[in-house]
Amino acid sequence: DADVTQTPRNRITKTGKRIMLECSQTKGHDRMYWYRQDPGLGLQLIYYSFDVKDINKGEISDGYSVSRQAQAKFSLSLESAIPNQTALYFCATSDYQGGPQYFGPGTRLLVL
Amino acid sequence: SQQGEEDPQALSIQEGENATMNCSYKTSINNLQWYRQNSGRGLVHLILIRSNEREKHSGRLRVTLDTSKKSSSLLITASRAADTASYFCATESNAGGTSYGKLTFGQGTILTVHP
Repeated sequence: DADVTQTPRNRITKTGKRIMLECSQTKGHDRMYWYRQDPGLGLQLIYYSFDVKDINKGEISDGYSVSRQAQAKFSLSLESAIPNQTALYFCATSDYQGGPQYFGPGTRLLVL
Repeated sequence: SQQGEEDPQALSIQEGENATMNCSYKTSINNLQWYRQNSGRGLVHLILIRSNEREKHSGRLRVTLDTSKKSSSLLITASRAADTASYFCATESNAGGTSYGKLTFGQGTILTVHP
């Protein structure tokens, strides 16, 4: 079984809709991250969380919000989706500060 | 802005040849990491090199780090078709003396290995 899972894997939505992307991990890591990847580009950090009570904005947090429901669960919400949020979204975890990150399979989001 | 910049953007080689990818960064770092991404899939961690290390090996991978030049290279020896993927460097910056453990990723090198 995968250590980091993301649901859904693919999602098509319309402009203005609220959607939630979910991430679960069985690695027991405290640190979790949400990134977006646009075609041909690297990853940009949206939000990160070092434990259940600690949530921080990344480089591109505008238009996004997150919820850390438990150590194992970290959700990303788009309050009112817009077309330029069309991208591949990844969740990741890490065991210690600056350590290797373990990525989920990604959610491909299309906003029409 | 991207901390890491990979070079070249794309690399095409024959199976058995070596592949070298370079990464340059702008600020002082605690460590630098390399990741591989198969098309449209999640990134996979390959190797981590700390700022006080100059070279590290893992199987067919060799990573060097030159902090004076703020650059790193990833060498894949005896490449295989299965090595075809995008490769990203990522840095943990300690600019300002504070590190929050965040990684900043470059835009990647697309490697194609022809059988």
